[in-house]
Amino acid sequence: AQSVTQLDSQVPVFEEAPVELRCNYSSSVSVYLFWYVQYPNQGLQLLLKYLSGSTLVESINGFEAEFNKSQTSFHLRKPSVHISDTAEYFCAVSDWGGGSQGNLIFGKGTKLSVKP
Amino acid sequence: DGGITQSPKYLFRKEGQNVTLSCEQNLNHDAMYWYRQDPGQGLRLIYYSQIVNDFQKGDIAEGYSVSREKKESFPLTVTSAQKNPTAFYLCASSISPRLYGYTFGSGTRLTVV
Repeated sequence: AQSVTQLDSQVPVFEEAPVELRCNYSSSVSVYLFWYVQYPNQGLQLLLKYLSGSTLVESINGFEAEFNKSQTSFHLRKPSVHISDTAEYFCAVSDWGGGSQGNLIFGKGTKLSVKP
Repeated sequence: DGGITQSPKYLFRKEGQNVTLSCEQNLNHDAMYWYRQDPGQGLRLIYYSQIVNDFQKGDIAEGYSVSREKKESFPLTVTSAQKNPTAFYLCASSISPRLYGYTFGSGTRLTVV
C-alpha cells in the first residue's frame, strides 16, 4: 500500500529565511503528488500538484516543489517565508491504477512556524 | 460560488448521544470523503463514497455511519459507539482525485462532554 512520510512534524524558522518541508512516498509506480496547506481551524487548501511534465512545480504564493523519482521525494520549498506562511502543510499522493480509485494518501503534516 | 459547506462549525454534545455532521457540495463532484483530524495524527479516513447510494469504510469507520442519498450531500453520524468522538472533522469532494485532488470544507469541531 502507498504511504507518505513527512520527516519533520514541526519546522520553526525566522521570517525571510528559506524553508524546506520534506516529503517522501513509497510507490514505485507512477504517482500524482500534492501539497496542501491548512490554517488554524480551517480546511485544507490545495497549494500545488505534480501530475507529469516538468519536475518543478510552483504555487502562486512563492512555494515550489520538486518531484524526484529516484529519491521518491516531493519536497516543498520557499526561498523567503512570511509570518503569514505559518500553517500546517500536508503532502499527499494518489495511487495510480489498481482498485484504489485514486484516493489520496496523506502524510501526517508539518507545522511551519515563522517567527519575527 | 461552488464549494463545500460543513455545518455547524462547532458542535457540543453530551456523552452517549448520537450526532450528525452535515456536508453539502455544489461542485457536481461524484466522490465525497470524511476525515477525522487529531493533533499529531494527520488525517484519518472514516468513510468515502464514489457514487450516490454507495459508500465504503475507511481506516477508522467503527462508531460512525454515513448515507449518500443525494449527490450533493454526505452526512456523517457519530454514534455513541465511538469511544473518543472529540475531534476536528473534515469533509472533502473530488471529480477526479488523481488529476485534481480534493476540495475540502472548513471543518466541524465536535466536542463531547
